[in-house]
Amino acid sequence: QVQLVQSGVEVKKPGASVKVSCKASGYTFSSYGISWVRQAPGQGLEWVGWLSVNNGKTKYAEKLQGRVSMTSDTSTSTVYMELRSLRSDDTAVYYCARDPLPFSSWVVYFDYWGQGTLVTVSS
Amino acid sequence: EIVLTQSPGTLSLSPGERASLSCRASQSVSSTYLAWYQQKPGQAPSLLMYGVSSRATGIPDRFSGSGSGTDFTLTISRLEPEDFAMYYCQQYGSSPQTFGQGTKVEIK
Repeated sequence: QVQLVQSGVEVKKPGASVKVSCKASGYTFSSYGISWVRQAPGQGLEWVGWLSVNNGKTKYAEKLQGRVSMTSDTSTSTVYMELRSLRSDDTAVYYCARDPLPFSSWVVYFDYWGQGTLVTVSS
Repeated sequence: EIVLTQSPGTLSLSPGERASLSCRASQSVSSTYLAWYQQKPGQAPSLLMYGVSSRATGIPDRFSGSGSGTDFTLTISRLEPEDFAMYYCQQYGSSPQTFGQGTKVEIK
């Protein structure tokens, strides 16, 4: 069965960086893109960006351009999201989520989600 | 980007009742590219519907989706205890994909 297992809670100071991992299993890792979606406390869902695991192509939300990057390691079936120059309004649960079809574009819905990683930014 | 507005913010109903959740888009959603998710407290969202009216794997037929253009509806025909949760719509017809702010279905 498809599983996305994320790394644990992170607490960071403003200006620092965080790198969250998402380990996939149960499907052909390189065939499906992965997006990251975040949810601030008590708020709705916000798309952060997308990585094509197949060819490394990325697409990021305009408001996060320059501060976010996404990579993958096919040897461990893991996708990473790094967010730099953290601010208090980056405090959120970050979810990885899989494209529903192989070799999709970045504008998709999501059929499987990780359990979420809470990133808290506080001085 | 397309802004999705969900209404009502909270729906208070009893088990066995019918729930109708609305999702309105600021501009027409391309083709049938609208999805719905359910989220329970402390859990990740889970896919309910895609393509407006297609149920995801394992979703019971008491859930149905309808609509086109700018107006979409998720209907739960008879609420079961496990259906009380938060629901989000998402459009994926235009970049970037965007989500509504959610409707909470709570027990009356």
